[in-house]
Amino acid sequence: EAQVTQNPRYLITVTGKKLTVTCSQNMNHEYMSWYRQDPGLGLRQIYYSMNVEVTDKGDVPEGYKVSRKEKRNFPLILESPSPNQTSLYFCASSVRTSGTFSSYNEQFFGPGTRLTVL
Amino acid sequence: AQKITQTQPGMFVQEKEAVTLDCTYDTSDQSYGLFWYKQPSSGEMIFLIYQGSYDEQNATEGRYSLNFQKARKSANLVISASQLGDSAMYFCAMREGRGKAAGNKLTFGGGTRVLVKP
Repeated sequence: EAQVTQNPRYLITVTGKKLTVTCSQNMNHEYMSWYRQDPGLGLRQIYYSMNVEVTDKGDVPEGYKVSRKEKRNFPLILESPSPNQTSLYFCASSVRTSGTFSSYNEQFFGPGTRLTVL
Repeated sequence: AQKITQTQPGMFVQEKEAVTLDCTYDTSDQSYGLFWYKQPSSGEMIFLIYQGSYDEQNATEGRYSLNFQKARKSANLVISASQLGDSAMYFCAMREGRGKAAGNKLTFGGGTRVLVKP
């Protein structure tokens, strides 16, 4: 089954304790990204990767790191988490798709990781 | 200024009736695309419909249609014959410009919560 997986799905941690949220896709997509979702703000892009060893900042990269050593994996690293990073996190990969009238990059989202930093 | 504005934080709709969710956008790019996603209470992001800026006809996907008014910069989602399973959060999103990075990045609105009443 084509999918994007994230682990863990839920995490409660304390300020300053390093953590990693894993993301893996089995669709051989080149492009992957991370978003965070906060009430009233929708989803905002944290980091993205256009291919192996190619990563760049999104709109809200402060406090996060990523790596892309393999095409299928795109982990999100919080070196020193703080309470303002409490959020719902989504990993996504995308592929060019033909729509009815035009083509577009269809995003496949993972199930989300709910992170609470105390 | 917000790039995507969803002015309805929440709304009720009677089962079997149609509902329109508002979305206005702001961009200076000529090439852009508009997406709608559904997020049920389980949290996953479900792609509903896409409209490209050069598409001359409004997009439709089953019970979903997109009322695209380019001059007004609006891309409202219409759900016909509402069902109880349509109760969810709905997000409007936009990608701007061309190129691999721009074409894959989505900017989201704050969302509209829909509750379908039996």
